[in-house]
Amino acid sequence: EAGVAQSPRYKIIEKRQSVAFWCNPISGHATLYWYQQILGQGPKLLIQFQNNGVVDDSQLPKDRFSAERLKGVDSTLKIQPAKLEDSAVYLCASRPTGAGEQYFGPGTRLTVT
Amino acid sequence: DAKTTQPTSMDCAEGRAANLPCNHSTISGNEYVYWYRQIHSQGPQYIIHGLKNNETNEMASLIITEDRKSSTLILPHATLRDTAVYYCIVNPGAAGNKLTFGGGTRVLVKP
Repeated sequence: EAGVAQSPRYKIIEKRQSVAFWCNPISGHATLYWYQQILGQGPKLLIQFQNNGVVDDSQLPKDRFSAERLKGVDSTLKIQPAKLEDSAVYLCASRPTGAGEQYFGPGTRLTVT
Repeated sequence: DAKTTQPTSMDCAEGRAANLPCNHSTISGNEYVYWYRQIHSQGPQYIIHGLKNNETNEMASLIITEDRKSSTLILPHATLRDTAVYYCIVNPGAAGNKLTFGGGTRVLVKP
């Protein structure tokens, strides 16, 4: 079974530029999550989707971050404009309906200079 | 969500059992205990979870105290590949909808 795919793996941008990350969850997983992990800290949930609807985006900085999950499969997370403090690893995870565990992708490491 | 307390770091010898403690004294009756680990430069990996009974799978065993205020993850025969940050998380319901990660325990397995 293929795991959660993310791209790109690494991205370096200058502050005030925009960036987008892509996630392809495990086939059939209805729930998708985006997390932000700052160096030395545990991951922090940004947004949760159930199919193509948003379940929880309470910790998403909506003035600069946006996410979508069209057709309930792939998802993109965008930052516009980026700030220095957005430097982090962005993790995507998916979960099958009725199960407890989440499956994480390898993450995208963003560096904002 | 209830909070957890874990040691910041611990070492263990290769081939020996690694016992990782976690305190969750404010856990509610419907909250499960989940364990994940994160190997360097990888995403977190699910290990095991339980409600009140002890659980075992191919990766580890989970021992939950009778009062459910603490638990221990046991890696029966630690290998160098088990070097990682281990997160103990309590979460309401079997769905495990929202994971709130703390700092975890940094485990170093030494040869």
